[in-house]
Amino acid sequence: EAQVTQNPRYLITVTGKKLTVTCSQNMNHEYMSWYRQDPGLGLRQIYYSMNVEVTDKGDVPEGYKVSRKEKRNFPLILESPSPNQTSLYFCASRSPAGGPSGANVLTFGAGSRLTVL
Amino acid sequence: DQQVKQNSPSLSVQEGRISILNCDYTNSMFDYFLWYKKYPAEGPTFLISISSIKDKNEDGRFTVFLNKSAKHLSLHIVPSQPGDSAVYFCAASALRGFKTIFGAGTRLFVKA
Repeated sequence: EAQVTQNPRYLITVTGKKLTVTCSQNMNHEYMSWYRQDPGLGLRQIYYSMNVEVTDKGDVPEGYKVSRKEKRNFPLILESPSPNQTSLYFCASRSPAGGPSGANVLTFGAGSRLTVL
Repeated sequence: DQQVKQNSPSLSVQEGRISILNCDYTNSMFDYFLWYKKYPAEGPTFLISISSIKDKNEDGRFTVFLNKSAKHLSLHIVPSQPGDSAVYFCAASALRGFKTIFGAGTRLFVKA
């Protein structure tokens, strides 16, 4: 089954304790991205990666890091989490333009709910 | 600066009637628009899309209309079913761009 897998699904942590949210896709997509969802703000892009070793900032990159060492994995790293990073996080990968589902269609993981105390 | 706006946080519709969800955008560089549907505890899933070269795209009960001059698109669901109750996100991108911008979402309630 084509899917994007995120872990952990739920996490409660404390301010300053480094954490990593993993993301893996099995569709051989070159493009991957991280979003956070907050009430009234929708989904905001944190970082994206066009391919292995190629990453760029989205609209809300502050406090986050990413890496793309392999095509299938795109972990999100919070080096020193703060309470304002409490949110619901989604990883997504994208079909190439003109793929079977249409251009630019994102496939999302189930989400990771993070609480920073 | 919200480039994609969904001004209705929620919408309630009777089963069998039409649901109309609206979305406005500000950036003329967007040329591809998508709607995603999200159930609780799940990730958003792709519903339907439209290219800026079209003004309408239909897929079963779902139709998306695009008015480029008004920078407005809408999603019509006919007939609405209780299983359509979810949050709907409007999204916009450049066809070969690397960013997809989402609206804040509209929560649809379809009453049986």
